[in-house]
Amino acid sequence: AAGVIQSPRHLIKEKRETATLKCYPIPRHDTVYWYQQGPGQDPQFLISFYEKMQSDKGSIPDRFSAQQFSDYHSELNMSSLELGDSALYFCASGHTGELFFGEGSRLTVL
Amino acid sequence: EDQVTQSPEALRLQEGESSSLNCSYTVSGLRGLFWYRQDPGKGPEFLFTLYSAGEEKEKERLKATLTKKESFLHITAPKPEDSATYLCAVQAPMYSGGGADGLTFGKGTHLIIQP
Repeated sequence: AAGVIQSPRHLIKEKRETATLKCYPIPRHDTVYWYQQGPGQDPQFLISFYEKMQSDKGSIPDRFSAQQFSDYHSELNMSSLELGDSALYFCASGHTGELFFGEGSRLTVL
Repeated sequence: EDQVTQSPEALRLQEGESSSLNCSYTVSGLRGLFWYRQDPGKGPEFLFTLYSAGEEKEKERLKATLTKKESFLHITAPKPEDSATYLCAVQAPMYSGGGADGLTFGKGTHLIIQP
């Protein structure tokens, strides 16, 4: 069965650079979520989309933005990167409440 | 504010030694309680969703139960491949504010099953 696809799997950036992560949800899932997981931490909710409209925001910094496109894929844009942004970024998609996570994108900021 | 507390933080068991992981929560109007398994460097793998007190779900050696204040993940006769971090998460009613649409995760229980 198709799963949530995230790209890139690994990304290395310098401080103050910009990064874009992509997420392709499971077909026919109407909701996409982004989470950030620091080393040894639990996943923290960033933002979600329902039917291509932003539905909720969590602890997403103002330097970050996200959108969902007409083909339902989503992108998380991160600007002015800081060392503390180094983390695993997960995308999850869902329908009727159950969320399925991708393998994550590991961002390292040097 | 929604809170999820998991215990113990870490648990080491012998193969075949059954035990239970606890997830206590405070949320107004629970929409769903989720259990996930996470292996190092990988995304959380969906296990169960529980919606109402008294509900139980089973999958292989795992059984999840739910009360009005907590959920238990029972592991029966575990095997080394069950070693992972088990995450509990809650979802509050939609539009209740404060990031309710997303899941609020607990810190997880790091489970090690020794052969």
